[in-house]
Amino acid sequence: SQTIHQWPATLVQPVGSPLSLECTVEGTSNPNLYWYRQAAGRGLQLLFYSVGIGQISSEVPQNLSASRPQDRQFILSSKKLLLSDSGFYLCAFRGGSYEQYFGPGTRLTVT
Amino acid sequence: RKEVEQDPGPFNVPEGATVAFNCTYSNSASQSFFWYRQDCRKEPKLLMSVYSSGNEDGRFTAQLNRASQYISLLIRDSKLSDSATYLCVVNPTGTASKLTFGTGTRLQVTL
Repeated sequence: SQTIHQWPATLVQPVGSPLSLECTVEGTSNPNLYWYRQAAGRGLQLLFYSVGIGQISSEVPQNLSASRPQDRQFILSSKKLLLSDSGFYLCAFRGGSYEQYFGPGTRLTVT
Repeated sequence: RKEVEQDPGPFNVPEGATVAFNCTYSNSASQSFFWYRQDCRKEPKLLMSVYSSGNEDGRFTAQLNRASQYISLLIRDSKLSDSATYLCVVNPTGTASKLTFGTGTRLQVTL
């Protein structure tokens, strides 16, 4: 069966520090992968998606970047965090009928 | 107009009640529809897909009205464990498998 992992589960970082969040998927090959952010009390905002290794599409201009160094690995990064980067970061992969399955998420607080 | 609109609620219902949520979408060419459930501080989880002919999964019934561009979710015999936020999700055609999420409807089931 397919599973998706994210780490860390929670993170507290000072403004201006770098960020690296990792997502890995098991049980599937060449999945479409997605990064979302959910601000407190808000809906899901699609940040990046990837249809293959090295292929990244950005949805909104921001302080973040994404990379896909391996087929089942998706990384979200920032060189310098802003207060507005706080939120719940979710990675997802696409299923067989366009549905998406989410990892457990990383709750980021920028202080 | 938002791509996917939901009443944020909260809907407060007693255990055993029947409750219905509606959701409207703006892109008439949308092809795939889903309901997700999100518990507090957790990732969204797929509840059910929504098919043109309507579909049922236990106490849950989903329906699609393409003419009016709305989707509904009916929960019968509500349980305390149904308390969550329900997200209406649409896959607009030709958007590289991206999903558009509503901001959710919160349900609170009480004794």
